Amino acid sequence: DSGVTQTPKHLITATGQRVTLRCSPRSGDLSVYWYQQSLDQGLQFLIQYYNGEERAKGNILERFSAQQFPDLHSELNLSSLELGDSALYFCASSPDFSGEQFFGPGTRLTVL
Amino acid sequence: DAKTTQPPSMDCAEGRAANLPCNHSTISGNEYVYWYRQIHSQGPQYIIHGLKNNETNEMASLIITEDRKSSTLILPHATLRDTAVYYCIVRAYNTDKLIFGTGTRLQVFP
Repeated sequence: DSGVTQTPKHLITATGQRVTLRCSPRSGDLSVYWYQQSLDQGLQFLIQYYNGEERAKGNILERFSAQQFPDLHSELNLSSLELGDSALYFCASSPDFSGEQFFGPGTRLTVL
Repeated sequence: DAKTTQPPSMDCAEGRAANLPCNHSTISGNEYVYWYRQIHSQGPQYIIHGLKNNETNEMASLIITEDRKSSTLILPHATLRDTAVYYCIVRAYNTDKLIFGTGTRLQVFP
């Protein structure tokens, strides 16, 4: 158990819909990272927040957005969903900018 | 970030040492080598990292060549629970994101 929690575990929705994935980092960790893992693209970095501020952006689509709240939990919002958005979405946290990141169990999103 | 090359798959007998190689010939002086693993579809798990010296922790040892162009992750006594995809990642000190490649799928057999 990494100490990072993600909800929900599974999410099934339809194309065109919008969903919100939630992540609670380890106690005391200020950095939160979001990754997407699909069969054809592997594990891809999406975005990072540090203490409420966006710090780094990766291959995140414009239809996706994220935020980190004052209590440090983070949400990843996915809108206008397409079949290709079906994937595992992982959240990770670290105390600072360390490469030692602690990953949550992931949310499996299925878009039908 | 420097690119890494790993064999797509390896086998190892239970109880034997598993040696997983990684090439990173374009690594820069300020880039670290990180190793993570992912068991089935669980979240990736940090194993170890190093800059130029060999490193050891309770999970594994990391051997980095003197020219830093390659490294080897060593699991000294592999168990069935070590079956996973192992990712070698090169990360600059001043960046935060991890760029995962395709990794090596290690199968430990009885």
